[in-house]
Amino acid sequence: DIQMTQSPSTLSASVGDRVIITCRASQSIYSWLAWYQQKPGKAPKLLIYKASSLESGVPSRFSGSGSGTEFTLTISSLQPDDFATYYCQQYINYPYTFGQGTNLEIK
Amino acid sequence: EVQLLESGGGLVQPGGSLRLSCAASGFAFSSHAMSWVRQAPGKGLEWVSAISGSASSTYYADSVKGRFTISRDNFKNTLYLQMNTLRADDTAVYYCAEDLAGYLPSWGQGTLVSVSS
Repeated sequence: DIQMTQSPSTLSASVGDRVIITCRASQSIYSWLAWYQQKPGKAPKLLIYKASSLESGVPSRFSGSGSGTEFTLTISSLQPDDFATYYCQQYINYPYTFGQGTNLEIK
Repeated sequence: EVQLLESGGGLVQPGGSLRLSCAASGFAFSSHAMSWVRQAPGKGLEWVSAISGSASSTYYADSVKGRFTISRDNFKNTLYLQMNTLRADDTAVYYCAEDLAGYLPSWGQGTLVSVSS
């Protein structure tokens, strides 16, 4: 199975900050990577697919980049609504696997 | 608007069985693969199983293979997950999700399965 490793596990930041979350795959997944946002008690929400494609309705402050084994999710200017947990997911093959999550908290 | 509504969760004893359902609306259900993803309390996301639109292909995580069965009824626009020989580590919120060739754009609200004596 492909292992997905996110860093950091916890990130403290302030409104207006630019933040970057990294996701590494244990083998090349080309661009078959998605990013999700999850808030407590809610289902995950798709932000980015195919590494850099922004899902419809997602604010443009979110962006994704990378290919192969290294990927990043960038939030250009944090808003209060962005404090949540973020997960990456590979879908080059089954079983799909998720990163362990990055908890983005208010500094 | 895509809507997915899970049901069937609850408390079950170890070794017991449960069947989850996911009622879908707002999209061409039979044309889309579907997945189940679970989340244990306080933990991350774990993909469980997937099924093709025609139900001709099914896929499972090793942790549930041989115990869980995914199926669908395209006439009823409903996805199912039959869970047998349940264990304590199957305790989780189970989500159904629309599966667009691997990424999951739409999710249900989840249903909680608790396995305990």
